[in-house]
Amino acid sequence: GAVVSQHPSRVICKSGTSVKIECRSLDFQATTMFWYRQFPKQSLMLMATSNEGSKATYEQGVEKDKFLINHASLTLSTLTVTSAHPEDSSFYICSARDRGATNEKLFFGSGTQLSVL
Amino acid sequence: QQQVKQSPQSLIVQKGGISIINCAYENTAFDYFPWYQQFPGKGPALLIAIRPDVSEKKEGRFTISFNKSAKQFSLHIMDSQPGDSATYFCAASDTGNTGKLIFGQGTTLQVKP
Repeated sequence: GAVVSQHPSRVICKSGTSVKIECRSLDFQATTMFWYRQFPKQSLMLMATSNEGSKATYEQGVEKDKFLINHASLTLSTLTVTSAHPEDSSFYICSARDRGATNEKLFFGSGTQLSVL
Repeated sequence: QQQVKQSPQSLIVQKGGISIINCAYENTAFDYFPWYQQFPGKGPALLIAIRPDVSEKKEGRFTISFNKSAKQFSLHIMDSQPGDSATYFCAASDTGNTGKLIFGQGTTLQVKP
């Protein structure tokens, strides 16, 4: 099946630094990728929709200047958490839709656990 | 309108029993309803999905029942096993529009040996 690789799986950083998370579709082209955030024992909350070659669409309440999303190619989207603070500590998960598929399946990465000290 | 409501929040089932998780939605534009399984520290994995043109779909021990008029759907896990212990999320998507997947609140399932 289709594989979405997310890196890093875990990152610990100091408050005020920026962290970049990568999401790659390994064996398919993804025109659309989605970024989710998940707090412990809670559901996945959609942060933004990333479309290749265009600006990301952010969900209400998500700061676009804090969570920078770049979707520069059909296989790579990045999420940069700028000037991270402890409240940004969370599990971040990306997902991708296969451009060539006729179904609606979304393939998820394995997630990135961000801890801001 | 965009919410998907899931219940119960947690569920304990004996090995071999049936686990049932329910979801309800409001947005009639939703046309794709998947269920995901998530283990701690991992991303969600697609279990089974259904579209509203059928009332039931079965894959192995997993069955989705769909009631379009009631705007409800449920996941049944037959012969539940300890390895099924995980968090399960229902979700819904309007594939003809944004295609965004909206998740339910999740159900933590524990299958006791």
